[in-house]
Amino acid sequence: GAVVSQHPSRVICKSGTSVKIECRSLDFQATTMFWYRQFPKQSLMLMATSNEGSKATYEQGVEKDKFLINHASLTLSTLTVTSAHPEDSSFYICSASRQGVMNTEAFFGQGTRLTVV
Amino acid sequence: GQSLEQPSEVTAVEGAIVQINCTYQTSGFYGLSWYQQHDGGAPTFLSYNGLDGLEETGRFSSFLSRSDSYGYLLLQELQMKDSASYFCAVLSGTYKYIFGTGTRLKVLA
Repeated sequence: GAVVSQHPSRVICKSGTSVKIECRSLDFQATTMFWYRQFPKQSLMLMATSNEGSKATYEQGVEKDKFLINHASLTLSTLTVTSAHPEDSSFYICSASRQGVMNTEAFFGQGTRLTVV
Repeated sequence: GQSLEQPSEVTAVEGAIVQINCTYQTSGFYGLSWYQQHDGGAPTFLSYNGLDGLEETGRFSSFLSRSDSYGYLLLQELQMKDSASYFCAVLSGTYKYIFGTGTRLKVLA
């Protein structure tokens, strides 16, 4: 399998501050990564598609100015939650697939549990 | 819109067989995957069906009927460690997965 590393695993921040979450593909290159949000006991909701070297594609209802995505290299995508509020508290998780093939397996990071107080 | 429906919860005893169904309606379809997620953890890949029929991987099997927009995951010889949430996911575009509502499986001793 392939390894996707996500950092930090847990973060607590004050309301109104910004938090950056990193997603790295450690042993393969990923032109596309995905960011999901998961509330307790619920499904993974796709937030956006992160495209290396270009703008992210956001799903309907996701505020692109609030959830900033940067995919500056083939191995790193970042999600910044800006002006965080308690309702942004959730489990954020990224995934990536190997470049160049219609890959049937998505490799997930460990997830980041964000708590906004 | 897009939807993937699963039963919310299933309970079974150790050693039993359980089937988790998934019906889907998506704008694109390349295949159906299944993922397992333990509480607080990341989803882990179980299986993928790109064509109709049954795929078997050890104790787990997965089935797909594209004409019925339906699939299922079959877990045999249930073990306590199988207690987790299970998600079906449609590969709806290049690398892009849309996840189902999830099924919480409880395995009883």
